Amino acid sequence: DQQVKQNSPSLSVQEGRISILNCDYTNSMFDYFLWYKKYPAEGPTFLISISSIKDKNEDGRFTVFLNKSAKHLSLHIVPSQPGDSAVYFCAARAQGAQKLVFGQGTRLTINP
Amino acid sequence: DTGVSQNPRHKITKRGQNVTFRCDPISEHNRLYWYRQTLGQGPEFLTYFQNEAQLEKSRLLSDRFSAERPKGSFSTLEIQRTEQGDSAMYLCASSRDRAGVKTQYFGPGTRLLVL
Repeated sequence: DQQVKQNSPSLSVQEGRISILNCDYTNSMFDYFLWYKKYPAEGPTFLISISSIKDKNEDGRFTVFLNKSAKHLSLHIVPSQPGDSAVYFCAARAQGAQKLVFGQGTRLTINP
Repeated sequence: DTGVSQNPRHKITKRGQNVTFRCDPISEHNRLYWYRQTLGQGPEFLTYFQNEAQLEKSRLLSDRFSAERPKGSFSTLEIQRTEQGDSAMYLCASSRDRAGVKTQYFGPGTRLLVL
């Protein structure tokens, strides 16, 4: 039962353009969402988060959008840089819970 | 600024052996989590501690797995009688127990290979 889904295993974007990573969830009890970035042989690094009371959160080149009615969130990276090449994980936390539920990840490749 | 540290970073063992991993959280964080990640998947929750109390365990944590946090600081995860299916990256994370703070910060992980 995959409660958080990232349906695109990989994405390739040209340097300087916008990268859009998508995530869908099924559990309506999720009220907090996070994006992590992971390089090979390292642990996930926190990027940005959003509470369910908001529909947008921005931090520098990173913006997360939340559409609660569609149970969908997306991460926008603009402009994309070569150092952004990594695997990106979407994670969600249910109200009152502590554990994070992760998607399968999307491998982003930024081409020069 | 010291992040979450994990030791060892890599462990190769033979099936049937016991292994123990250590996690040192960020110093002011009183919540500590263990996750497991297999190839092509996202991290999966195993267990979490608030201070020294283990408050939640996943069904993934079979009776061969045990985790401790005796003094509310570092934690250990032990796997007894390892099986090839235990091969994975074991990740530790920590967070503060403060209203509105929900971000978990991860360590570099311990990669286990069971032969």
